[in-house]
Amino acid sequence: DIQMTQSPASLSASVGDRVTITCRASQHISSFLNWYQQRPGRAPKLLIFGASTLQSGVPSRFSGGGSGTHFTLTISSLHPDDFGTYYCQESDTSQFTFGPGTRVDIQ
Amino acid sequence: QITLKESGPTLVKPTQTLTLTCTFSGFSFTTSGEAVAWIRQSPGKGLEWLALVFSDNDKRYRTSLEGRLSITKDTSKKQVVLTMTNMHPVDTGTYYCAHRPRSGYQILDFWGQGTLVTVSS
Repeated sequence: DIQMTQSPASLSASVGDRVTITCRASQHISSFLNWYQQRPGRAPKLLIFGASTLQSGVPSRFSGGGSGTHFTLTISSLHPDDFGTYYCQESDTSQFTFGPGTRVDIQ
Repeated sequence: QITLKESGPTLVKPTQTLTLTCTFSGFSFTTSGEAVAWIRQSPGKGLEWLALVFSDNDKRYRTSLEGRLSITKDTSKKQVVLTMTNMHPVDTGTYYCAHRPRSGYQILDFWGQGTLVTVSS
């Protein structure tokens, strides 16, 4: 099975900051990588699929990059409602393996 | 607009079987490649995909839980049912169902609100 890791495990940033989260896959998955945001007490929300394609309705301050085994999620200018936990998920297999998550707190 | 809603018991005893129902609207579940998935989240932990059923009734299960899981669909009732046998306290968590659209990517674009299941005697 593919293993997914994320770094950092948590971060604290200020409104307006540029934030980057990294996700790594244990084997090559091309661009089959998705990102989700989960606010406390809420269901996850799809942000990006195919490593870099923004889901409809997602603000353009979110962007994704990478391929193969190394991927990034960037928030260009952190907004107050961007707090929560961000998960990557491989979509190369039918096992939908998620990363452990990166918690983002607003300072 | 696609919506999904989970329902089922909030408390089950160890060794019992859990049965959860996902009732959906906004899609017919007849499109090739479309599917409904179940995902769970232990308290304070990450997301764990459990099972998925496609519109053509093809099914996929989490490898490590495959012997305990069963997923079925009733398109006429617009429902997908997940059963998990031999429940343990470690199975406590919030269980979500989600929609997988016809796509070249395994994405989950609409999620239910989730239902909390506690396993305790």
